Amino acid sequence: DGGITQSPKYLFRKEGQNVTLSCEQNLNHDAMYWYRQDPGQGLRLIYYSQIVNDFQKGDIAEGYSVSREKKESFPLTVTSAQKNPTAFYLCASAEGYEQYFGPGTRLTVT
Amino acid sequence: GDSVTQMEGPVTLSEEAFLTINCTYTATGYPSLFWYVQYPGEGLQLLLKATKADDKGSNKGFEATYRKETTSFHLEKGSVQVSDSAVYFCALSPRGGNNRKLIWGLGTSLAVNP
Repeated sequence: DGGITQSPKYLFRKEGQNVTLSCEQNLNHDAMYWYRQDPGQGLRLIYYSQIVNDFQKGDIAEGYSVSREKKESFPLTVTSAQKNPTAFYLCASAEGYEQYFGPGTRLTVT
Repeated sequence: GDSVTQMEGPVTLSEEAFLTINCTYTATGYPSLFWYVQYPGEGLQLLLKATKADDKGSNKGFEATYRKETTSFHLEKGSVQVSDSAVYFCALSPRGGNNRKLIWGLGTSLAVNP
């Protein structure tokens, strides 16, 4: 059963801690994306990767880091430098321009 | 640069009402156009798409026609159901370029009451 998995669904952290969000796909897609979603602001692109071992900053990369060591995996680390990390995070992969989304991780930092 | 503008929500309808959610775009050339739907607490799902002018995308009773002359891709459904309550996103993929990024609208929230 092909798809994208994100874990965990809910994540709670204390301010000042780094946290890594998981994203795995078995669709054999080359491209993967991380978005942040806040109420009323739509989707904002954090990072994207078109191929293994390569990634580019999106519109709001500050305070985030990624790696792409395997085609199937694109983890996102929210660092303590991110000033307002509480949000809903969505991972996607793409075949051509058609993007397929995971179920999302809701991160709450207090 | 390229952009997508959607009508602001929330949109509130009664069951079996007609739905229109407006989407207009600015782009060079001929982009592909998409509608995605996000149910509460979930990720986005592709609802329909159109890749060239005058194409009509359709799925689950929803339709949208790629209108080059008005640079629009309005989403319509003849009779909405409570289960259609969700946020709807219009998006475009620019022609050319090699980064495969989508340009997103801000989303329109739809609430359907029984």
